[in-house]
Amino acid sequence: ELKVEQNPLFLSMQEGKNYTIYCNYSTTSDRLYWYRQDPGKSLESLFVLLSNGAVKQEGRLMASLDTKARLSTLHITAAVHDLSATYFCAVVGIQGAQKLVFGQGTRLTINP
Amino acid sequence: SAVISQKPSRDICQRGTSLTIQCQVDSQVTMMFWYRQQPGQSLTLIATANQGSEATYESGFVIDKFPISRPNLTFSTLTVSNMSPEDSSIYLCSVALNTEAFFGQGTRLTVV
Repeated sequence: ELKVEQNPLFLSMQEGKNYTIYCNYSTTSDRLYWYRQDPGKSLESLFVLLSNGAVKQEGRLMASLDTKARLSTLHITAAVHDLSATYFCAVVGIQGAQKLVFGQGTRLTINP
Repeated sequence: SAVISQKPSRDICQRGTSLTIQCQVDSQVTMMFWYRQQPGQSLTLIATANQGSEATYESGFVIDKFPISRPNLTFSTLTVSNMSPEDSSIYLCSVALNTEAFFGQGTRLTVV
């Protein structure tokens, strides 16, 4: 059974600092997603990572994937308050299938 | 990309009643997915809805409690039956298109 674990689950940081959220998964997968969720809202797609070594960047967020280590990271550079949200990683459960298994989520709070 | 419209966006229901949630997507898709997000929790897949066949339910979810319809390639409904306060959650539909996974805005259900 595929398990997806994120850490940390809660993160409070100051503006201007850098930090990394980790996403580990237990079995081989060919696709990993990162989403952002604001309180009371749905999921906003951030990144789709499809291959080993994939790296994608959007603004202050950068995501990478190491399929051999079954690890993805979401790096935040020079955090700003607007990035406060809950971040989820999700992995395709079965190769060729489309249903997702989600991590627990990381609740990120960025303080001025 | 895909645009998903979900209705209702929120509802407050009496225990013992049922609520049907509608999901309309602007593209034809083979599979639609229904997820539940309990308060403060991550997303859990309820079932996969294929057009022309019965939905496939995940462990812990049964058809009698969560009947699903999938009459065509752009529409699906999820019914939450005989509701109890434990059913209070956000329910989200999702579709996969190419390598992306898109989510509706969610239905926030409160059972009193």
